[in-house]
Amino acid sequence: NAGVTQTPKFQVLKTGQSMTLQCAQDMNHNSMYWYRQDPGMGLRLIYYSASEGTTDKGEVPNGYNVSRLNKREFSLRLESAAPSQTSVYFCASSAWGSPLHFGNGTRLTVT
Amino acid sequence: QQQVKQSPQSLIVQKGGISIINCAYENTAFDYFPWYQQFPGKGPALLIAIRPDVSEKKEGRFTISFNKSAKQFSLHIMDSQPGDSATYFCAASKQSNYQLIWGAGTKLIIKP
Repeated sequence: NAGVTQTPKFQVLKTGQSMTLQCAQDMNHNSMYWYRQDPGMGLRLIYYSASEGTTDKGEVPNGYNVSRLNKREFSLRLESAAPSQTSVYFCASSAWGSPLHFGNGTRLTVT
Repeated sequence: QQQVKQSPQSLIVQKGGISIINCAYENTAFDYFPWYQQFPGKGPALLIAIRPDVSEKKEGRFTISFNKSAKQFSLHIMDSQPGDSATYFCAASKQSNYQLIWGAGTKLIIKP
């Protein structure tokens, strides 16, 4: 089993460009999440999807949109990238009451 | 009310020593306190977790100590090994997942 797979692993964007980060899980989990990780700030929740067909804002949703395409896939879109969005992005999934399972991250640089 | 404060930011321990990382929270409604371990280039992975109905939980060399009145919890790594070198995050939530509030992380280095 692959667990949680994120693509791409690395990305460099220019300010104003758009892109979509992809995430897929093969553990039949209902809930999926997008976090960003910045030095000295831990992980901050951007958006989450408690179940297929629902999405909700987390702590830092501004500048991002998400799509829960089906039970397996949860994508994160940056419509107009800004240097403040330079970060490492992690997707995670979980079943209700179980720990989060994380992917290996996408390292995004916005110049 | 929502913060989780973690210390120290970095820690160097000799092989065989005890590593101690501390966290403090403010929201008394939190009822789930996990620790996650993260190696470079990887996502965090659950190491050990505790609920406030117990004061201590041990799994192998890893122990969580929980002090409900002080609103503090800590991770102790006994007989620390070079393979324990990683970044450790504490977190807290009112449920077992999605509303986790994370500490800032502690980079632990175990010197051989």
